[in-house]
Amino acid sequence: SQKIEQNSEALNIQEGKTATLTCNYTNYSPAYLQWYRQDPGRGPVFLLLIRENEKEKRKERLKVTFDTTLKQSLFHITASQPADSATYLCALVSRPGDKIIFGKGTRLHILP
Amino acid sequence: DAGVIQSPRHEVTEMGQEVTLRCKPISGHNSLFWYRQTMMRGLELLIYFNNNVPIDDSGMPEDRFSAKMPNASFSTLKIQPSEPRDSAVYFCASSLVQGTNYGYTFGSGTRLTVV
Repeated sequence: SQKIEQNSEALNIQEGKTATLTCNYTNYSPAYLQWYRQDPGRGPVFLLLIRENEKEKRKERLKVTFDTTLKQSLFHITASQPADSATYLCALVSRPGDKIIFGKGTRLHILP
Repeated sequence: DAGVIQSPRHEVTEMGQEVTLRCKPISGHNSLFWYRQTMMRGLELLIYFNNNVPIDDSGMPEDRFSAKMPNASFSTLKIQPSEPRDSAVYFCASSLVQGTNYGYTFGSGTRLTVV
């Protein structure tokens, strides 16, 4: 069955360092991979999308890589700040308008 | 734009009662999704619509759950009768079918507690 794995343990990173989160998937061939941020009591907020034919995408302090051979995406936050503390969700989409399948997310704590 | 609007924000009901959750998607979006989130299972897709038509309801737990989208600006998720195991946060999300560059926009969710 389709499976998306994110590190279930919380990640603690010192302020100013780069935080790297991992998303692995099996039995899936997504056309798109998305990353979302979720704060307590709120809905997920879309951050970045990367297509299967793209290796890397950047947005301000965020960088996402997508390796379809390894079936893995890495999500980086550079120069991390305490305000970056949240749960980050990886999501896969087969084609435009299709349902998206979410990982369970990784909780990130940026320590001042 | 006010974003995706869900109501109510919180709902506490007794087992056996009917519960109706409401969602107003972003104007112009033509896909609508209902998700349920729990600590154990994460975000699970229940059902989604394209152009008001249900496309995939394979995630609906059982016949107690039903969803409708009578028009492009409104959808409901109904649970009848409700059970304690239905307690979760229910999210509605909307998107443009061809708007994959923009991701999916989620509402703030409805926290349902069935006692």
